[in-house]
Amino acid sequence: RKEVEQDPGPFNVPEGATVAFNCTYSNSASQSFFWYRQDCRKEPKLLMSVYSSGNEDGRFTAQLNRASQYISLLIRDSKLSDSATYLCVVNPDAGGTSYGKLTFGQGTILTVHP
Amino acid sequence: DTAVSQTPKYLVTQMGNDKSIKCEQNLGHDTMYWYKQDSKKFLKIMFSYNNKELIINETVPNRFSPKSPDKAHLNLHINSLELGDSAVYFCASSPGQGAGEDTQYFGPGTRLTVL
Repeated sequence: RKEVEQDPGPFNVPEGATVAFNCTYSNSASQSFFWYRQDCRKEPKLLMSVYSSGNEDGRFTAQLNRASQYISLLIRDSKLSDSATYLCVVNPDAGGTSYGKLTFGQGTILTVHP
Repeated sequence: DTAVSQTPKYLVTQMGNDKSIKCEQNLGHDTMYWYKQDSKKFLKIMFSYNNKELIINETVPNRFSPKSPDKAHLNLHINSLELGDSAVYFCASSPGQGAGEDTQYFGPGTRLTVL
């Protein structure tokens, strides 16, 4: 089983649609979770951190279910500029020994069309 | 501009050659990283340095040798390049040691093609 698993898509949605991405992780001791965004031929950029209580940033909502080891990202009112690859990222350990070993999923490709 | 920068952006070379990629960050961060993104788009960490000290060394062939002359620079030297080394190499930095929610900021990447 992969450490971080995502549906690679691609997801093709019209502008204005709501789209949801899912991700599962295998290490139950993982402590920190993120969604990164990567545009074609560009570097990954942090989109948002994910908290157990769920968190929202404008049109983006992230949820974490520790019991199921499951992370989600919801994008409402999709824009053309949301087209990108969305990477689910897990930091296995929040303690001092974590040393930043981020584990990336394969990414989910989103294309928003007019 | 404050950023993580890498040179070169593109590198095309023959098998067996030795090459270096340079990375610099002017964000004042303590930790720097090298990642490899292969053709299947998986990003995998290779190395990280905190204040010039190696703290992560994943299972990477010893043909790859990182060097950190100071905490703002982390270079990657690759000996005897092989076809399988073709990938995009990303440098990143973070303010802390990488624990918890220490955010990593990525450079633009170096696209290495080995012929």
